[in-house]
Amino acid sequence: DAGVIQSPRHEVTEMGQEVTLRCKPISGHDYLFWYRQTMMRGLELLIYFNNNVPIDDSGMPEDRFSAKMPNASFSTLKIQPSEPRDSAVYFCASSPTGSGNQPQHFGDGTRLSIL
Amino acid sequence: SQQGEEDPQALSIQEGENATMNCSYKTSINNLQWYRQNSGRGLVHLILIRSNEREKHSGRLRVTLDTSKKSSSLLITASRAADTASYFCATDNMYGNKLVFGAGTILRVKS
Repeated sequence: DAGVIQSPRHEVTEMGQEVTLRCKPISGHDYLFWYRQTMMRGLELLIYFNNNVPIDDSGMPEDRFSAKMPNASFSTLKIQPSEPRDSAVYFCASSPTGSGNQPQHFGDGTRLSIL
Repeated sequence: SQQGEEDPQALSIQEGENATMNCSYKTSINNLQWYRQNSGRGLVHLILIRSNEREKHSGRLRVTLDTSKKSSSLLITASRAADTASYFCATDNMYGNKLVFGAGTILRVKS
């Protein structure tokens, strides 16, 4: 079975540019999560969706960050304009339910570097 | 915010030895999960333990949970070089939504 697929795997861009990260969850999973991982702050939940609807975006750091899920098989995380402090690894994960009694399945992440 | 805190931050052992990692958390939980992350990869789920369980086994993994102390431990027996990775605990809350991950333990198994 295909796992969670993220693209691109690496992104290097200059400050001020728009960045779009993409995620394809596992088919049949109703929940999709976006995380950010840094050495300083660890793994942080940014936003999660249930059946394509954003449920909790309290972890989104600023208005420069936005996320959408136009259908059950695709989600995007956009940063506009990007800043050097946005440099991190961004993970997408999916789960059959949002309950903590189900494992989350992670993609291999997008390593983002903002120069 | 981090709910779980792993201890130690880093652990280096010889192949064949056992590795024990600990996780402490602050608020009441329904479930606690352990994940592994290899360098440059995403997190992989290892094992889940519910709040009414005290111990769980999966292959060479043994997880314990002490809700009175708000702590959990992950034991990897007969470690292998391939076990070299970061290990994270993750907890939900009493409402069961969202997982909060700890800072992780970096395990290095030397062959």
